[in-house]
Amino acid sequence: DAEITQSPRHKITETGRQVTLACHQTWNHNNMFWYRQDLGHGLRLIHYSYGVQDTNKGEVSDGYSVSRSNTEDLPLTLESAASSQTSVYFCASSDGRGKPGELFFGEGSRLTVL
Amino acid sequence: DQQVKQNSPSLSVQEGRISILNCDYTNSMFDYFLWYKKYPAEGPTFLISISSIKDKNEDGRFTVFLNKSAKHLSLHIVPSQPGDSAVYFCAARMDSNYQLIWGAGTKLIIKP
Repeated sequence: DAEITQSPRHKITETGRQVTLACHQTWNHNNMFWYRQDLGHGLRLIHYSYGVQDTNKGEVSDGYSVSRSNTEDLPLTLESAASSQTSVYFCASSDGRGKPGELFFGEGSRLTVL
Repeated sequence: DQQVKQNSPSLSVQEGRISILNCDYTNSMFDYFLWYKKYPAEGPTFLISISSIKDKNEDGRFTVFLNKSAKHLSLHIVPSQPGDSAVYFCAARMDSNYQLIWGAGTKLIIKP
């Protein structure tokens, strides 16, 4: 079955370290997204991509970067982790042909920055 | 400036009764409204949506109502079942860039 997987599922790191969260989907979807979920805020968009070599900043992109070298992967990098980036991160994908606004989410990556 | 608001952090409903989850929005440029359901340690999953030109959409036990004049939508679950216990997110799609704006979520607890 096609799916979207995130790794690691849990990560503890120290302030100032570089961290990369992986996202891999096998649906061949062009659109991929990274969100963070914090209590009281719902999901907030970090970065998104509409295809290979395309990346765009979302609502809360400061301190994060992404790259899209193939259709399947959109890794999220925190260049210098900060305590404010402690959160649960969700990757999602869509092909734009399903129900409007329908996204398919991974199971999430919980990041703790000490 | 929250464009999509879910003012109830939690809701407790008896099994078999109706669950009503509410959502308010401020931006008239939204073209679709969606509800997602999320279980602990899982990603959100799409539940039901409604176009801004409709006022009701039904899918089995789930019905979404849209009141554009009040900028309000609601999700009705009838009858409520134990498996409906989850966090429900309301989201709205911008017609200009198709991005989703999310509410903070409502935790629904179905009591036996």
